[in-house]
Amino acid sequence: LAKTTQPISMDSYEGQEVNITCSHNNIATNDYITWYQQFPSQGPRFIIQGYKTKVTNEVASLFIPADRKSSTLSLPRVSLSDTAVYYCLVGARLNDYKLSFGAGTTVTVRA
Amino acid sequence: DGGITQSPKYLFRKEGQNVTLSCEQNLNHDAMYWYRQDPGQGLRLIYYSQIVNDFQKGDIAEGYSVSREKKESFPLTVTSAQKNPTAFYLCASSSGLAGEAWEETQYFGPGTRLLVL
Repeated sequence: LAKTTQPISMDSYEGQEVNITCSHNNIATNDYITWYQQFPSQGPRFIIQGYKTKVTNEVASLFIPADRKSSTLSLPRVSLSDTAVYYCLVGARLNDYKLSFGAGTTVTVRA
Repeated sequence: DGGITQSPKYLFRKEGQNVTLSCEQNLNHDAMYWYRQDPGQGLRLIYYSQIVNDFQKGDIAEGYSVSREKKESFPLTVTSAQKNPTAFYLCASSSGLAGEAWEETQYFGPGTRLLVL
């Protein structure tokens, strides 16, 4: 499994853009990069997934450089409700596949 | 309304008691998973099942057991052998193989919080 490293916490203010970078130096050719969001006492929620370059949806953007050894989740104009833990995961479904959730990044948005 | 349901929301266990956590999905997903989350920690994989009647141990399977008799159901039993069962338990499911490269997206249930009396 590709190991990921992301900051433990980040603080921001309402209306700002939040960028969380995840390092995954040993990412494999078949691996996808997926980000989840988790609120307290709830299950994680899928945010975005990508393989290379840039992916954008109605919630976030995901930037992946050509070497794919890192990725950056961008949350535009955050609000208080974006306060959550964000997990970066790297993996692919082969014969024996397991996801590995690290401690994630706790993002705190202040008024 | 498709999704994953877990029950109960809260569960209390007495010493030496086995308890079973329910997980049901109507997403027609092949794979299902159980995770444990301790306060301030990430998720740790307990068991997973890629297909009916088959399941594999995750990283912390000791003291737990599962069954997968039906595609939509993946119950988790916390046995008396699990000495520190107090945690938040999450069930998830994912769809299936799409070519050789897999886009693994797991969908999670609301969780069950297990407390020891």
